[in-house]
Amino acid sequence: GESVGLHLPTLSVQEGDNSIINCAYSNSASDYFIWYKQESGKGPQFIIDIRSNMDKRQGQRVTVLLNKTVKHLSLQIAATQPGDSAVYFCAENDYKLSFGAGTTVTVRA
Amino acid sequence: EAQVTQNPRYLITVTGKKLTVTCSQNMNHEYMSWYRQDPGLGLRQIYYSMNVEVTDKGDVPEGYKVSRKEKRNFPLILESPSPNQTSLYFCASSLNRGAGDIQYFGAGTRLSVL
Repeated sequence: GESVGLHLPTLSVQEGDNSIINCAYSNSASDYFIWYKQESGKGPQFIIDIRSNMDKRQGQRVTVLLNKTVKHLSLQIAATQPGDSAVYFCAENDYKLSFGAGTTVTVRA
Repeated sequence: EAQVTQNPRYLITVTGKKLTVTCSQNMNHEYMSWYRQDPGLGLRQIYYSMNVEVTDKGDVPEGYKVSRKEKRNFPLILESPSPNQTSLYFCASSLNRGAGDIQYFGAGTRLSVL
C-alpha cells in the first residue's frame, strides 16, 4: 500500500498568502524526505529535502517541517505567487522513491 | 544543459502493437528509473537500473521491459500494450540510488492504448 499520503488533494490560496501542504508517512524508519513540484505538462521537479535528524529546513521561500513523533511533514510556501500553482508531492527516499498522490495548489489573483 | 530526455512526448497506439519509449540523460548518472503516473495514485515505479546491465523490478513491472546497455539510455518497452497501460510515463535519473540522491525527471510521455 501507499506509504506516504497528502492530507488534502487540493489547496486554493490567495496570491501573497502563505501556503501549507501537509503529508503523512507510515514508515518510522524513513530517514529522508523530499518535496517535488509538478507544473502542468512537466515532470516533477525537486524543491527541498530534509533528513530525519532535522526538524526544519529552509530554502528560498519554502520551509519543510518534520515531526517524527506523529510521522508528519509539511511544506510551507511564503508569499505564494502564481508560479507556485502546481501539484506538490512529498516522497520518502528510504530505499526507493515512493510518492503520495499529490496536492494541487491553485493561486488566486 | 543537464537534462533527462524522453521520446515521444505523446503516443497513441493499439492493443498488442509493440512500442518503445526512449529515455536519455546527459548527467552521467548511475541510477535510472521509470514511473507511471495515474490520477489519484501518485507516481509508481515500474523498473529501475542501478548501472549498465543491472535492472530490477519496481512496484508495477507487469507488462513492461527495460534494458540498460549504455549508461545514458534506459528505454521502456511494451511488448504487447493493453488499455490498462494508458498512462503518463516519466523517466528519472540520479547520481546513485539512496537517500540524498535527487532524482531528475523527464518531461513525460503520455501514452494512450486503444
